[in-house]
Amino acid sequence: GDSVTQMEGPVTLSEEAFLTINCTYTATGYPSLFWYVQYPGEGLQLLLKATKADDKGSNKGFEATYRKETTSFHLEKGSVQVSDSAVYFCALSAISNTGKLIFGQGTTLQVKP
Amino acid sequence: DTGVSQDPRHKITKRGQNVTFRCDPISEHNRLYWYRQTLGQGPEFLTYFQNEAQLEKSRLLSDRFSAERPKGSFSTLEIQRTEQGDSAMYLCASSSTQRLAGALPFFGPGTRLTVL
Repeated sequence: GDSVTQMEGPVTLSEEAFLTINCTYTATGYPSLFWYVQYPGEGLQLLLKATKADDKGSNKGFEATYRKETTSFHLEKGSVQVSDSAVYFCALSAISNTGKLIFGQGTTLQVKP
Repeated sequence: DTGVSQDPRHKITKRGQNVTFRCDPISEHNRLYWYRQTLGQGPEFLTYFQNEAQLEKSRLLSDRFSAERPKGSFSTLEIQRTEQGDSAMYLCASSSTQRLAGALPFFGPGTRLTVL
């Protein structure tokens, strides 16, 4: 079945460092791909999305490119801030278009001043 | 409309008791989803409704779990004879089939269940 695998955390960075969180997926066909963020004590929020191969999703300085050839959707940010500390989830939406999401296990990011 | 709401936010119960959670979706959304998130894991799909019809159920949804959406608006998730393994965050999400790009769901804040 469809699945998502993320790099294990926690990832600890200093402020203004470069961030990469790896995400790879297994799916039938070409799913839509998402990154969600969960700040401490808050619900899941959509960070960015990409719906077809080679699309780049971007928001708040974060970017991810849908790579069909490597089945990947890695999250990047050029300069992280303390306020980016959160848990990040990679997810895919099956092509059946039900809106059902399959999530990775999450990666905790800790940014230190 | 302030988004998806869930009630209660926290629930502590003793093993063997029944619990019921409520989810109120965004008003114009016709799809509603339930997920379960255990500590250190991503959310896992449990079930979803389109209007009042329950269209898909995960194998995770044992016969102790039942979900309803009687009028196609709010939904309830009931767990009977709770077990300690049921301790988790239960997330509700809603979406609209009118949206483009795959019916993107919006999530509520979750109900944290602790079974003692």
